[in-house]
Amino acid sequence: ETGVTQSPTHLIKTRGQQVTLRCSSQSGHNTVSWYQQALGQGPQFIFQYYREEENGRGNFPPRFSGLQFPNYSSELNVNALELDDSALYLCASRVKEEETQYFGPGTRLLVL
Amino acid sequence: EDQVTQSPEALRLQEGESSSLNCSYTVSGLRGLFWYRQDPGKGPEFLFTLYSAGEEKEKERLKATLTKKESFLHITAPKPEDSATYLCAVSFYGQNFVFGPGTRLSVLP
Repeated sequence: ETGVTQSPTHLIKTRGQQVTLRCSSQSGHNTVSWYQQALGQGPQFIFQYYREEENGRGNFPPRFSGLQFPNYSSELNVNALELDDSALYLCASRVKEEETQYFGPGTRLLVL
Repeated sequence: EDQVTQSPEALRLQEGESSSLNCSYTVSGLRGLFWYRQDPGKGPEFLFTLYSAGEEKEKERLKATLTKKESFLHITAPKPEDSATYLCAVSFYGQNFVFGPGTRLSVLP
């Protein structure tokens, strides 16, 4: 059974640029969520996707957007990057009918 | 307001010195409470899911318990490899996962 994978592992961008992060769900999982984790803090919920539609959103501006594909993989897009966007971005997947989420290794984004 | 809090913020133990970590939540309508372990720079690793007050789960040196408004993660005779940040998260009706800030555990040999 393949776990959740994310790419890239690390990324450096400059303020104002756009970035796309990718996630492949664990086999058999149909729901994907994205989280932002600043250094020394707990993960903060960005949004969740189910059946290719956004199915819940946290307190993040519209410049954070996402996609889910028919194979349940997902993308997180962030436009107009700000310095405060520097964080570890985590993807988690689960079966819709179950509560437990399984996380990927994360993408470390640094905005200069 | 803080919905999920964890204490202590950091904990240093000697190898073999048992202790407990606390997770408290303030919102009603709990669907599940989850414990994860996170090593520096890595994604959270799933440990336990608890659904109702009185439930207990065990795995090796870890035991998680749940009451109406809090959960405890008991660590028995910890080893240095248990050093990590332990995260608690809850899911409520109408909400997705809300994480606490974590407890940084250091186990000294």
